[in-house]
Amino acid sequence: ETGVTQTPRHLVMGMTNKKSLKCEQHLGHNAMYWYKQSAKKPLELMFVYNFKEQTENNSVPSRFSPECPNSSHLFLHLHTLQPEDSALYLCASSQDGASGLSTDTQYFGPGTRLTVL
Amino acid sequence: GDSVTQMEGPVTLSEEAFLTINCTYTATGYPSLFWYVQYPGEGLQLLLKATKADDKGSNKGFEATYRKETTSFHLEKGSVQVSDSAVYFCAWVDSNYQLIWGAGTKLIIKP
Repeated sequence: ETGVTQTPRHLVMGMTNKKSLKCEQHLGHNAMYWYKQSAKKPLELMFVYNFKEQTENNSVPSRFSPECPNSSHLFLHLHTLQPEDSALYLCASSQDGASGLSTDTQYFGPGTRLTVL
Repeated sequence: GDSVTQMEGPVTLSEEAFLTINCTYTATGYPSLFWYVQYPGEGLQLLLKATKADDKGSNKGFEATYRKETTSFHLEKGSVQVSDSAVYFCAWVDSNYQLIWGAGTKLIIKP
């Protein structure tokens, strides 16, 4: 148990569907991250939120839309995805450096295995 | 540019063999260095870390020493077990607290 949970664990969707991935952290952290993990590729950082504000968007297509309503929850809204978007989507959290109490360790959730048909 | 280079896998060993997974990094300054592990069907877990030169991180029998002269952080274990089969990722954190990742090395331990 890492203190970061993700739901659902598995998701199959068609290209015209709209779905959302959810991440929740119980560690009191104030930074949260979305990563994409595809087979035989390095981890790709997608989005970073610090204190609920998006600070990083690594040229992610607009069919992925993040939402961070508070420092404990992070969503990834999906719409009109493509088959190449099939991957494991990982959420992580850490204590942001701006707080003065930083730790550089990120804690990961178990991921959502997404399949786009 | 900033990067991490890990040895390509899969690495296949017999139980109780000695393990080394090489990792070298390219970075400015002296960042914290990490090894994360991903067991089948799970997310990533921090295995160990080192925050300054000559530090040795250790956990679950694994060790890695921060070598600034060779910009390396090789992972070692004296006697591997079948349960160590996983994918191992080397990483360092940049000044924005974002992790720079290696591609991962798959480790297969045979009984």
